Amino acid sequence: EAGVAQSPRYKIIEKRQSVAFWCNPISGHATLYWYQQILGQGPKLLIQFQNNGVVDDSQLPKDRFSAERLKGVDSTLKIQPAKLEDSAVYLCASSHRPGDTDTQYFGPGTRLTVL
Amino acid sequence: DQQVKQNSPSLSVQEGRISILNCDYTNSMFDYFLWYKKYPAEGPTFLISISSIKDKNEDGRFTVFLNKSAKHLSLHIVPSQPGDSAVYFCAASLSGNTPLVFGKGTRLSVIA
Repeated sequence: EAGVAQSPRYKIIEKRQSVAFWCNPISGHATLYWYQQILGQGPKLLIQFQNNGVVDDSQLPKDRFSAERLKGVDSTLKIQPAKLEDSAVYLCASSHRPGDTDTQYFGPGTRLTVL
Repeated sequence: DQQVKQNSPSLSVQEGRISILNCDYTNSMFDYFLWYKKYPAEGPTFLISISSIKDKNEDGRFTVFLNKSAKHLSLHIVPSQPGDSAVYFCAASLSGNTPLVFGKGTRLSVIA
């Protein structure tokens, strides 16, 4: 079974520029999560999708971050404009069963550096 | 306010000995707990989990213990191997498809 795919793996941009990350979850997984992991911290949820609907985006800085999951499969996370404090690893995870506690499987992450 | 705490940033253990990683949580509503292992430049990899209805779950060399009254869980690795060297994250969630809340991680070094 293929794992969660993410691209790009690394991205370096200057502040105020825009950037987008892509995630392809494990086939058949209905739930998709984006987490932000700042150096020295554990991952922190940004947004959770159930199929193509948003379940939880309470911690997403909506003035600059946006995410979508068209057709309930792939997802993109965008930052516009980026700030220095957005430097982090952005992790995508997916899980199988909605409405049930289930293991989340993570992709390799995208390391973003904002200069 | 950190709901999941891993108070030891790092731990060194000799190969063949037991590694014990600890985790405390504050939200008594959490009922599902997981441990993830993370190598550099990779995403976290699921290791083992435990539901709040149990106090122990074992998978090969890995055992997780849960003490609900103390809001404490621990991961035991026996015997420790050099390939176990990684950052270990404790995570917790509420049942019903909710996001994970992670600790800051403990870096385990297994010395040959």
